[in-house]
Amino acid sequence: GAVVSQHPSRVICKSGTSVKIECRSLDFQATTMFWYRQFPKQSLMLMATSNEGSKATYEQGVEKDKFLINHASLTLSTLTVTSAHPEDSSFYICSAPPPRGASYEQYFGPGTRLTVT
Amino acid sequence: SQKIEQNSEALNIQEGKTATLTCNYTNYSPAYLQWYRQDPGRGPVFLLLIRENEKEKRKERLKVTFDTTLKQSLFHITASQPADSATYLCALVGDSSYKLIFGSGTRLLVRP
Repeated sequence: GAVVSQHPSRVICKSGTSVKIECRSLDFQATTMFWYRQFPKQSLMLMATSNEGSKATYEQGVEKDKFLINHASLTLSTLTVTSAHPEDSSFYICSAPPPRGASYEQYFGPGTRLTVT
Repeated sequence: SQKIEQNSEALNIQEGKTATLTCNYTNYSPAYLQWYRQDPGRGPVFLLLIRENEKEKRKERLKVTFDTTLKQSLFHITASQPADSATYLCALVGDSSYKLIFGSGTRLLVRP
């Protein structure tokens, strides 16, 4: 099946610094990827839709200048958390729909645990 | 506003029994409903998808029902095993293709 990877799996950074998270589709091309955030014991909340070759689409309440998304190729999307603060500490997960999908299931990456100190 | 509800309390059952998890939704008419499994510290894994015109879907020990009148889906795991212990999430397709809206998930614990 389609595989999605994320890097790094864990990152600890100091408040005020920026962190970049990579999401890769390993064996298929993904023109669209999605970024989610999950706080402890809560569900996944969609942050934005990453579109290859065009601007990302952000969900209501998500600051686009804080969460920069770049989908530079058909296999890579990056999420940069700029000027991170402790409240940005969370589990960030990306996903991509399967290639030539006739239905709407998603393949998820393993997630990145961000801790801002 | 659209709302998806899953039982927030953990479901604790004995190995070999059938686990039944519930997903209710309001203010919504989804074309699809999906179920995912999520283990601690991991991303969700797709399990089953059921369309609005399907009443029931099966895959090995898993069964999903979809009642668009009640606005409810039930997820069953028969002959449950300790390895089935995880959080199970239901998800609905949003207003555009591929955008998923997730429920909060129900944690299942299967005792040996």
